[in-house]
Amino acid sequence: AQSVTQLGSHVSVSEGALVLLRCNYSSSVPPYLFWYVQYPNQGLQLLLKYTTGATLVKGINGFEAEFKKSETSFHLTKPSAHMSDAAEYFCAVSDGVAGNQFYFGTGTSLTVIP
Amino acid sequence: NAGVTQTPKFRILKIGQSMTLQCTQDMNHNYMYWYRQDPGMGLKLIYYSVGAGITDKGEVPNGYNVSRSTTEDFPLRLELAAPSQTSVYFCASSYSPQGLTQYFGPGTRLLVL
Repeated sequence: AQSVTQLGSHVSVSEGALVLLRCNYSSSVPPYLFWYVQYPNQGLQLLLKYTTGATLVKGINGFEAEFKKSETSFHLTKPSAHMSDAAEYFCAVSDGVAGNQFYFGTGTSLTVIP
Repeated sequence: NAGVTQTPKFRILKIGQSMTLQCTQDMNHNYMYWYRQDPGMGLKLIYYSVGAGITDKGEVPNGYNVSRSTTEDFPLRLELAAPSQTSVYFCASSYSPQGLTQYFGPGTRLLVL
């Protein structure tokens, strides 16, 4: 069974500061991992994903994440927060079988303080 | 491409009423999904489909039905609306399995009173 834990339902950072959003997963098979962003009253947009290969993946808007198998983690980072980064962020895991079902974390709301 | 479209954007239902949430994608994706999003709970999978004529239950299917007569459309049916079905519903699609991206629609906000 797959599951995702996002530590911290709310994270606040100052503009220009490092953004770190935590995601730990549980998977019985090699996972596929995703980060999505949701702006108010909108659907989810893909930020980045890990499937195979390089464990450090780069996404849109300057975000990146590193797959660490030993820690079962896929934390999302951005070196310098921008006001426009304020949104809800969801981590998801898929095992790639059984209809490619995704299992989502409960989300982290990011606030950027000017 | 319009991507994944959903209608309506918002709806208020009375308890016991029925309605269909529409979802259409124009990307020729064979996999489609319905999720509900409740505050603080993330997204939960209701039903999914791996192709026309094939559907299967997700994590929270009770109170819902789906059909998939075409590749493009994947409607979600609520037969007897209950307050517990107040939520935001998202439709998504993907081209194939094995970890490929799911693309999401803008959502339907449903309020059951």
